[in-house]
Amino acid sequence: ETGVTQSPTHLIKTRGQQVTLRCSSQSGHNTVSWYQQALGQGPQFIFQYYREEENGRGNFPPRFSGLQFPNYSSELNVNALELDDSALYLCASSRTGSGEQYFGPGTRLTVT
Amino acid sequence: EDQVTQSPEALRLQEGESSSLNCSYTVSGLRGLFWYRQDPGKGPEFLFTLYSAGEEKEKERLKATLTKKESFLHITAPKPEDSATYLCAVQAANTGNQFYFGTGTSLTVIP
Repeated sequence: ETGVTQSPTHLIKTRGQQVTLRCSSQSGHNTVSWYQQALGQGPQFIFQYYREEENGRGNFPPRFSGLQFPNYSSELNVNALELDDSALYLCASSRTGSGEQYFGPGTRLTVT
Repeated sequence: EDQVTQSPEALRLQEGESSSLNCSYTVSGLRGLFWYRQDPGKGPEFLFTLYSAGEEKEKERLKATLTKKESFLHITAPKPEDSATYLCAVQAANTGNQFYFGTGTSLTVIP
């Protein structure tokens, strides 16, 4: 069984730029959630995707957007990057109706 | 407002010294409470799901329990490899797809 994978591992961007992060779900999982984790904090829910549509959103501005593809992989896009966007971005997959989420290793984004 | 609070923030134990981590929560209808382990620079690793007060789950040296207001993660005779940050998360009935995480307890087990 293949686990959740994310790419890239690390990324450095400049304020104002745009970034795309990618996630492949664990085999058999059709729901993907994205989280932002600042240093020393717990993960903060960004949004969830199910059947290629947004299925719940946390308190993040519209410049955070996402996609889910027919193979259940997903992208997180962040426009107009700000310094405070520097964080570990985590993707988690799960089966429909299950609260058990399995996380990928994360993408470390640094905005300078 | 839905909220999750974990204590202590950090805990240092001697190898073999048992202890408990606390997760208190206030949510409008609990759908589930989840415990994760996170090693530095890695994604959280799923440990347990608890759904109702009185429920208990065990895995090796870890045991999770749940009441109507809090959950405990009991660590029995810990080993250095148990050193990690332990995160608690809740899923509320009124925000079905959103999970609220605490800030975690950083556990260090000294040989």
